[in-house]
Amino acid sequence: QKEVEQNSGPLSVPEGAIASLNCTYSDRGSQSFFWYRQYSGKSPELIMFIYSNGDKEDGRFTAQLNKASQYVSLLIRDSQPSDSATYLCAVKDSNYQLIWGAGTKLIIKP
Amino acid sequence: GAVVSQHPSRVICKSGTSVKIECRSLDFQATTMFWYRQFPKQSLMLMATSNEGSKATYEQGVEKDKFLINHASLTLSTLTVTSAHPEDSSFYICSASAVPFFGQGTRLTVV
Repeated sequence: QKEVEQNSGPLSVPEGAIASLNCTYSDRGSQSFFWYRQYSGKSPELIMFIYSNGDKEDGRFTAQLNKASQYVSLLIRDSQPSDSATYLCAVKDSNYQLIWGAGTKLIIKP
Repeated sequence: GAVVSQHPSRVICKSGTSVKIECRSLDFQATTMFWYRQFPKQSLMLMATSNEGSKATYEQGVEKDKFLINHASLTLSTLTVTSAHPEDSSFYICSASAVPFFGQGTRLTVV
């Protein structure tokens, strides 16, 4: 069964530091990778997506993809209390099915 | 990014009644939309894939007669929870587009 795994956390990071969120996936043929942020009681909002190996930066966020090792990560620089949320990793597998991780709860401490 | 609008955002209904939730793609056409359910502190669970002009595809364990899906146009999919019961109380979310964007979600409470 194809899987996407995330540490459930909570991950606690001091304000201003870098938060690092990791996700591994089992289907080596996976094509596209997505990071979402979900606040409590709200629907997920897309942060960024990545298709190619390497880094992709958007403001304070950087997604890193390593297909050989089958992991994708999200770095949040200069973490703010407003970044406290659950971060969901999603992967489109070789059948174009979207597989979801269970999410990592991130807490930014002022 | 693509805009997906979901309505209503919150609904309370009596046990045994039916509730319809709408999902619209506002700035693009969506031949496929997805319906998820999320219980508190749990991850998203895909319920069904809504296909414009054809029958929806339901995930294993999801009752198609209880969760009726209609995708009559390229911009609208509806989910009807029929004969709702308290255990159907949940957060229902739709998504669409190749890069999945989500509607605002519908908090259903069945009393």
